[in-house]
Amino acid sequence: DTAVSQTPKYLVTQMGNDKSIKCEQNLGHDTMYWYKQDSKKFLKIMFSYNNKELIINETVPNRFSPKSPDKAHLNLHINSLELGDSAVYFCASSQIVRDRGRQHYPSGANVLTFGAGSRLTVL
Amino acid sequence: GIQVEQSPPDLILQEGANSTLRCNFSDSVNNLQWFHQNPWGQLINLFYIPSGTKQNGRLSATTVATERYSLLYISSSQTTDSGVYFCAGWPVEYGNKLVFGAGTILRVKS
Repeated sequence: DTAVSQTPKYLVTQMGNDKSIKCEQNLGHDTMYWYKQDSKKFLKIMFSYNNKELIINETVPNRFSPKSPDKAHLNLHINSLELGDSAVYFCASSQIVRDRGRQHYPSGANVLTFGAGSRLTVL
Repeated sequence: GIQVEQSPPDLILQEGANSTLRCNFSDSVNNLQWFHQNPWGQLINLFYIPSGTKQNGRLSATTVATERYSLLYISSSQTTDSGVYFCAGWPVEYGNKLVFGAGTILRVKS
């Protein structure tokens, strides 16, 4: 019944390793996001996919690679993990509208719904 | 880019007290949302409030879009209200990402 589910919830790993976080939504939304929450609780967008197409790619190291096999799934793979990658990673989804083909923002009641977060600790 | 300022940054309340949290935007936004992050880290939608006032139990929110601010009212606070409250909006100028404020950390003491 969970609307947006992420796995794993906790991930502890050594520097230099490669890891993945998976996300699935059953809300029928067409857009999914990855947000990073740092130790000061600040939430910042990393990536967004709309119907499997990458629409937002913030200034994120290319060690981070998102993949969206279909509009219900968005995974995040991280190569060569560094200490600074330790954070909570949130997946979210929404249904968006396009305004003159340029802007994308959620329509009406289909605003952003977040998963429970995946806490990554790099040692 | 757009700046989202939340005040106060942190707040301690005695159970039963009322409080008002504020969110100011440096530029116009669409589809403003308020979220509560509970002590277990879960982010929960409280309100979708692009304009006007909405109420949900002890919580209510008001957005004055023309003046680029929103308020979240918590009445008769309970210890379960503790956590971090975030406001977020989609900038009208480049509406492809939800921009968050830094949050207000609320602690309600019994």
